[in-house]
Amino acid sequence: GEDVEQSLFLSVREGDSSVINCTYTDSSSTYLYWYKQEPGAGLQLLTYIFSNMDMKQDQRLTVLLNKKDKHLSLRIADTQTGDSAIYFCAEEGATNKLIFGTGTLLAVQP
Amino acid sequence: ETGVTQSPTHLIKTRGQQVTLRCSSQSGHNTVSWYQQALGQGPQFIFQYYREEENGRGNFPPRFSGLQFPNYSSELNVNALELDDSALYLCASRRDGNTEAFFGQGTRLTVV
Repeated sequence: GEDVEQSLFLSVREGDSSVINCTYTDSSSTYLYWYKQEPGAGLQLLTYIFSNMDMKQDQRLTVLLNKKDKHLSLRIADTQTGDSAIYFCAEEGATNKLIFGTGTLLAVQP
Repeated sequence: ETGVTQSPTHLIKTRGQQVTLRCSSQSGHNTVSWYQQALGQGPQFIFQYYREEENGRGNFPPRFSGLQFPNYSSELNVNALELDDSALYLCASRRDGNTEAFFGQGTRLTVV
């Protein structure tokens, strides 16, 4: 079946690195995504990784993919208070539908 | 700003009523998807339209229906509203073959 799991909450201090983890079940997923959602807002695509890659870096963001364990992580370097939000991991299933996790609330303490 | 606009932003309906939500896709995007996000949950895929035809559907009953128009704007219709239909409804558009789906700000539907 299709299922994506994330831890519910992460608290870090400003300036530290944040690591948000995700596990998924569909080994045929072509792309895996990280979205950010701020209160009362829609979803903002942060980054994505193709399933044949192990790592992708984009400025402060680093995505690691362990396809064998179906584990995806998002590392945010030098976390800022503006990074406080809910982060969703999503896998792309059949017909391009996105299957989202329940989201991880990132709280950045000043 | 993603270029995807949804209307209305908020809506209150009574159980049993019908509702229509609207989405204007980003220019040139021929694929639109709708998602339901209940409070504290991740978005759940409702269905997707490509060039005015439904080409994928999630685990939602037939009272959830949709349309896509020649200008690629879209509607989500929900009949016989239930209390559990209260959620944020998100529309996402993409260009065929493109990996990035752009989301609108959503419509917050409350059923009382």
